[in-house]
Amino acid sequence: DAMVIQNPRYQVTQFGKPVTLSCSQTLNHNVMYWYQQKSSQAPKLLFHYYDKDFNNEADTPDNFQSRRPNTSFCFLDIRSPGLGDAAMYLCATSRGDSIQGNEQFFGPGTRLTVL
Amino acid sequence: AQKITQTQPGMFVQEKEAVTLDCTYDTSDQSYGLFWYKQPSSGEMIFLIYQGSYDEQNATEGRYSLNFQKARKSANLVISASQLGDSAMYFCAMRELGSARQLTFGSGTQLTVLP
Repeated sequence: DAMVIQNPRYQVTQFGKPVTLSCSQTLNHNVMYWYQQKSSQAPKLLFHYYDKDFNNEADTPDNFQSRRPNTSFCFLDIRSPGLGDAAMYLCATSRGDSIQGNEQFFGPGTRLTVL
Repeated sequence: AQKITQTQPGMFVQEKEAVTLDCTYDTSDQSYGLFWYKQPSSGEMIFLIYQGSYDEQNATEGRYSLNFQKARKSANLVISASQLGDSAMYFCAMRELGSARQLTFGSGTQLTVLP
């Protein structure tokens, strides 16, 4: 089945130690998104790629970077994780950016713990 | 102002009964899309149902239906014949013309189905 895959499902890192989360998709969708979701809150969009075009949200900290080497893969790099970065990180994809339809398909998420 | 408002932080329903989860939205765009997602405790966001602003019929997907009242700007989710597996967090989300790639999420409703 076509899907969105995130690895690892659980990631533990130390305060200040760089960490990379990965996302891959077999849907061949143009758009890939990274969301941060803290406990009992709605997902918050960090950035997204439309093909190779990178779009950063205005309030995304500089500590968060992303790479999309090809259509299938997208990475989230946290350069110096702080305790406040502990959260669930969700990757999502969509076909394009038309208003009608175009639902986003989410991966299972990576739960990041910062010690 | 909140773009998506979900006024019910928590809801309880008896197994096999129907339940309505409320969602109101705020937009000045004529073209927009409304989505409902389910998030079980495992963390994955599961797409349930979509309603376009130009759709005249209420969307239905199996046991899920969307009660779309455009003039009132409401898009309530109705789950019929609730099952224990329906216990989860439910998010209403909107995509607007001005931010075609971004979903704006409500704060969510935690649904618990009682045996």
